[in-house]
Amino acid sequence: AQSVTQLDSHVSVSEGTPVLLRCNYSSSYSPSLFWYVQHPNKGLQLLLKYTSAATLVKGINGFEAEFKKSETSFHLTKPSAHMSDAAEYFCVVSRNQGGKLIFGQGTELSVKP
Amino acid sequence: ETGVTQSPTHLIKTRGQQVTLRCSSQSGHNTVSWYQQALGQGPQFIFQYYREEENGRGNFPPRFSGLQFPNYSSELNVNALELDDSALYLCASSLPGLAGKETQYFGPGTRLLVL
Repeated sequence: AQSVTQLDSHVSVSEGTPVLLRCNYSSSYSPSLFWYVQHPNKGLQLLLKYTSAATLVKGINGFEAEFKKSETSFHLTKPSAHMSDAAEYFCVVSRNQGGKLIFGQGTELSVKP
Repeated sequence: ETGVTQSPTHLIKTRGQQVTLRCSSQSGHNTVSWYQQALGQGPQFIFQYYREEENGRGNFPPRFSGLQFPNYSSELNVNALELDDSALYLCASSLPGLAGKETQYFGPGTRLLVL
């Protein structure tokens, strides 16, 4: 069975400081992994995805994530937070049949001025 | 914007009623998935349709059903509504690709409140 665990339900950073959102996954085979962002009253937007190519994945808005098989992790980082980054972030693993995305519980990112 | 639209944006129903939610996929996307997102939770997979046939289902009862049409639109129907059905319902469209690797593009969702 596949699953993801987001290790922090809430992260608070100051504007201009680094962001780290942590995600561990469980999968019996090579997974596809995604990070999605959800702003209030908006749908989900894809930030980046890993599909067994380069382990360091660059996404939109300066975000990136590194796939570490030995640690079963896929943490999301950004060097410098912006106020507009405040949102809910979801780590997602994909089943290889039937298109099912399995979401973590989400991490709420707050950015202080 | 993802090019995926949903209607209505908000809906209030009472227990026992039936509801139909609608989704319009990106042009050319012949795969649509539906998810339920309860307050404070991550989305849960309901089912997926590919070329108008159900192509995978999550842990939801049969009173949750769907339809997909040739014009890239789809419906989610829920019968005998229960209070716990109150949630944000999201649809996502995609092109069929390497299984599990395709990107799903989400609509803004329909917020359903069951009283």
